[in-house]
Amino acid sequence: SQQGEEDPQALSIQEGENATMNCSYKTSINNLQWYRQNSGRGLVHLILIRSNEREKHSGRLRVTLDTSKKSSSLLITASRAADTASYFCATDGIQGAQKLVFGQGTRLTINP
Amino acid sequence: EPEVTQTPSHQVTQMGQEVILRCVPISNHLYFYWYRQILGQKVEFLVSFYNNEISEKSEIFDDQFSVERPDGSNFTLKIRSTKLEDSAMYFCASSARTGGVEKLFFGSGTQLSVL
Repeated sequence: SQQGEEDPQALSIQEGENATMNCSYKTSINNLQWYRQNSGRGLVHLILIRSNEREKHSGRLRVTLDTSKKSSSLLITASRAADTASYFCATDGIQGAQKLVFGQGTRLTINP
Repeated sequence: EPEVTQTPSHQVTQMGQEVILRCVPISNHLYFYWYRQILGQKVEFLVSFYNNEISEKSEIFDDQFSVERPDGSNFTLKIRSTKLEDSAMYFCASSARTGGVEKLFFGSGTQLSVL
């Protein structure tokens, strides 16, 4: 299975702190993506990092990718209450990828 | 920003009944997907669709499931004879896709409850 696995499953921090979530996967990939899901809603794409990239930034988000360890991390800096959501990593596969496979997700709670 | 639209937002049905979940993908997208999420669990891939045919399907997508793009704008998921375990949130997604699987745009989902 190429399924990503996020770590931790749940994370609770104070507003203003940084939140780090990790993802591990099993197969080779073209790219790895992070998505956010507010409770009961659809997934929203946050950021995509390609297999030949090591780090990418988007606003308060920083994503790293280590293909040798088959792992990625998502850092949210200066967290806000509105960042409370579930965060999922998703991977494709190099050979004729026809889908994204999502991990279990990290439930992030930002306490005011 | 363009959106993927799903209807209905909630569907309640009796076990054994047929249901059709509807989606309108983003107009210039070419790749379409159905995923489902049982409450509190992971998002599971069901099927991908391109050029009017299924590209890939999961083990979940058995012969009780079918997809169709009947009119060039709608993309539907049909479950022929629903089971209790089909209760889940069903998400449609679409992608422009330039190589590999690129950014997916998800709809808000249809919550299916099978009684």
